[in-house]
Amino acid sequence: EVQLVESGGGLVQPGGSLRLSCAASGFTFSSYWMSWVRQAPGKGLEWVANIKQDGSEKYYVDSVKGRFTISRDNAKNSLYLQMNSLRAEDTAVYYCAREKITMVRGVIIPLWGQGTLVTVSS
Amino acid sequence: DIVMTQSPDSLAVSLGERATINCKSSQSVLYSSNNKNYLAWYQQKPGQPPKLLIYWASTRESGVPDRFSGSGSGTDFTLTISSLQAEDVAVYYCQQYYSTPQGYTFGQGTKLEIK
Repeated sequence: EVQLVESGGGLVQPGGSLRLSCAASGFTFSSYWMSWVRQAPGKGLEWVANIKQDGSEKYYVDSVKGRFTISRDNAKNSLYLQMNSLRAEDTAVYYCAREKITMVRGVIIPLWGQGTLVTVSS
Repeated sequence: DIVMTQSPDSLAVSLGERATINCKSSQSVLYSSNNKNYLAWYQQKPGQPPKLLIYWASTRESGVPDRFSGSGSGTDFTLTISSLQAEDVAVYYCQQYYSTPQGYTFGQGTKLEIK
């Protein structure tokens, strides 16, 4: 079965750190760009970061640049998001997402995990 | 950043009737070199992750019922559900993936309910 399973969420104090993991299965992980997308409670969607198949390109939304780091381990079929200097506004469900392979490159997301909740609060 | 604005914020439609959701981008998402609109639509039901419906503004994702269609170009786009079914109750989001990676922004969402 093709799936993405996130883990690592939880309660953390402002200024703290957390590392999210995403375990991929049922497909050739190393063939896909991967993204993290978040959703604050009761709010809309926000794309956070993505990473190329071999990890050579990484992109971030401005609000997390310098604080978050996306990485992957293709041997372990895993995606990661290291989150440092966390703020209350980072509170959200974080989704691991697989981008679609198309003839023309585009951040199109047909496969999502169920998400993991990160709560930043004292 | 490109700002995506959806209208209306919420919508109530009778079963079997047409539902129309609009999405406007603050700048064109049409890439002239390939004539593609970098615009997608997603459906999200409570407690679930989003589901891709439409990409390149009008290409239906595999497995999506043909009552869902996308149209528009440049800065103005529409998602149409031709005959509303009970299972279509959800929040719908448009997303642009045109911008350089300052962020592939989503609209604020449109909540669709049954009248």
